[in-house]
Amino acid sequence: GAVVSQHPSWVICKSGTSVKIECRSLDFQATTMFWYRQFPKQSLMLMATSNEGSKATYEQGVEKDKFLINHASLTLSTLTVTSAHPEDSSFYICSAPGGSSYNEQFFGPGTRLTVL
Amino acid sequence: DAKTTQPTSMDCAEGRAANLPCNHSTISGNEYVYWYRQIHSQGPQYIIHGLKNNETNEMASLIITEDRKSSTLILPHATLRDTAVYYCISSRGNFNKFYFGSGTKLNVKP
Repeated sequence: GAVVSQHPSWVICKSGTSVKIECRSLDFQATTMFWYRQFPKQSLMLMATSNEGSKATYEQGVEKDKFLINHASLTLSTLTVTSAHPEDSSFYICSAPGGSSYNEQFFGPGTRLTVL
Repeated sequence: DAKTTQPTSMDCAEGRAANLPCNHSTISGNEYVYWYRQIHSQGPQYIIHGLKNNETNEMASLIITEDRKSSTLILPHATLRDTAVYYCISSRGNFNKFYFGSGTKLNVKP
């Protein structure tokens, strides 16, 4: 099946700094990717839809200036958490549609962000 | 927003079949039923999906009721490695969004 990777797998940063997370589709093209956030013992929460060549669309309640998304190519989307604070500490996961008819979502392994 | 409901947790004995139910009573005609699972601190793993007919693959079987308002994921011979949170999601697929519900924590016990 299709593979989605994320980098880094974990990151620790100081409060106030910005952190960039990469999501790559390794063996297929992804004009659309999705970003999720997951807090401990909770489900995945959809944050935004990343669109190649156009602006991302954000779910209600997600601050677009806080979570900057760039879909630079057909295989790469980046999520930048700007001016990170401890409450931004979470598990960030991306996904991309693929498979026949693009009916499947392939998920990355996730990035653990810890803000001190 | 999540449109599916699942039991919070279930236990299953190793080697036995695990039957995980999902209610999706508001599913629309062009929405698929997807099942994913998530093992601790990993990304969700695809299991199976279907529209109307029952489906089977090397991992599991998916039984969808005739009215499509509910479905059951069947793991025929559960192993300890099947311990995970299982999510049932309804979506039109094809670049459409996935909204996750709370899922079912399946505990496979020796």
